[in-house]
Amino acid sequence: AQTVTQSQPEMSVQEAETVTLSCTYDTSESNYYLFWYKQPPSRQMILVIRQEAYKQQNATENRFSVNFQKAAKSFSLKISDSQLGDTAMYFCAYQSNFGNEKLTFGTGTRLTIIP
Amino acid sequence: DGGITQSPKYLFRKEGQNVTLSCEQNLNHDAMYWYRQDPGQGLRLIYYSQIVNDFQKGDIAEGYSVSREKKESFPLTVTSAQKNPTAFYLCASSSREGRTSTDTQYFGPGTRLTVL
Repeated sequence: AQTVTQSQPEMSVQEAETVTLSCTYDTSESNYYLFWYKQPPSRQMILVIRQEAYKQQNATENRFSVNFQKAAKSFSLKISDSQLGDTAMYFCAYQSNFGNEKLTFGTGTRLTIIP
Repeated sequence: DGGITQSPKYLFRKEGQNVTLSCEQNLNHDAMYWYRQDPGQGLRLIYYSQIVNDFQKGDIAEGYSVSREKKESFPLTVTSAQKNPTAFYLCASSSREGRTSTDTQYFGPGTRLTVL
């Protein structure tokens, strides 16, 4: 079974600074998908970024980018020019390319942006 | 507006009662999912459905039941057999490409269930 580990329960950073959230995962599969979701205080889960394992290029969405290291099974999220609206729980998730397509989530990192 | 709606936002249940949580989507997605979120944990899959009239158990299906009579709707019933139902419940949906659903899952706003 796949597992996802987020080793940073909480982080905080000054507004406009850059912050990196860590995620590691364990799988024996060669093709899969990785996601970062954001959950603000409203508790709505919002997709931040998605990475396909067979693509070597790291995904980027505006101020959000990932560092995908397939051999190391690492998938970190970098937030540049952080904004107050980035304050939220961030969840890393794994999705197999086979089977029931469920998302396996990490336990989350609570990120606080300090004004 | 296209999206996923869940109702109610807050739900209170007495012990021994069954309650049903609603999930509706107008995204024309084939697959729908129910997840449970507890404090300090990530989301865990309860049930999922890839097509109408078909659904499968997830990792924590005991004490829950679902139906998928319409493509747009995937209600979740929390039965009295669920020993610790107080949690936040999230519904998600995704489109399907080919034989496997590898498209992104989009989430509804959630329902907070509290057992009194």
